[in-house]
Amino acid sequence: SQQGEEDPQALSIQEGENATMNCSYKTSINNLQWYRQNSGRGLVHLILIRSNEREKHSGRLRVTLDTSKKSSSLLITASRAADTASYFCATTSTGNQFYFGTGTSLTVIP
Amino acid sequence: DTGVSQDPRHKITKRGQNVTFRCDPISEHNRLYWYRQTLGQGPEFLTYFQNEAQLEKSRLLSDRFSAERPKGSFSTLEIQRTEQGDSAMYLCASSEANSPLHFGNGTRLTVT
Repeated sequence: SQQGEEDPQALSIQEGENATMNCSYKTSINNLQWYRQNSGRGLVHLILIRSNEREKHSGRLRVTLDTSKKSSSLLITASRAADTASYFCATTSTGNQFYFGTGTSLTVIP
Repeated sequence: DTGVSQDPRHKITKRGQNVTFRCDPISEHNRLYWYRQTLGQGPEFLTYFQNEAQLEKSRLLSDRFSAERPKGSFSTLEIQRTEQGDSAMYLCASSEANSPLHFGNGTRLTVT
């Protein structure tokens, strides 16, 4: 069964706007990762945040982690049509098994 | 580094038939994972290898599913006596220890 849940399930924004999606999980974690999936393709790793980190940046991506609330958020700034995809969070407590959430489907309208 | 490759990309089979999928991981990665993904859902963990040893297997995985990784290189996932509920995308991923997963593009199975 899946560990995390993303919110919202679907998000539609205009190009240039920021997109924020959230992930909640259930147990203590070693790290949390965000992945992106284009339709019919495999997942691509975006960013990893460790349990002792609170915020991390990579290009137009900003990830926050609140272990007390067991939640994380992914912010994509200045969105582009090419950002249209599904986004998943994945957690691991051991570094061996990774549990994925249900995903947020993002549509960026040109 | 040619990435993780999976074969075939698509498989259509009739209920009751056996199917086998292959995954070739990134060569220096000692960890290999199989996931199953249905439409609108996230990937669901099936099993995990470290080198040739199968270290974890989901309790949700029935006895009809078996995976191997001989010599710690490529891996195969076999489904015996397929059922319509087995229709899904089967994803393979590989990684080094404490590193993110690298996914293949999956094998889409349709059971008719």
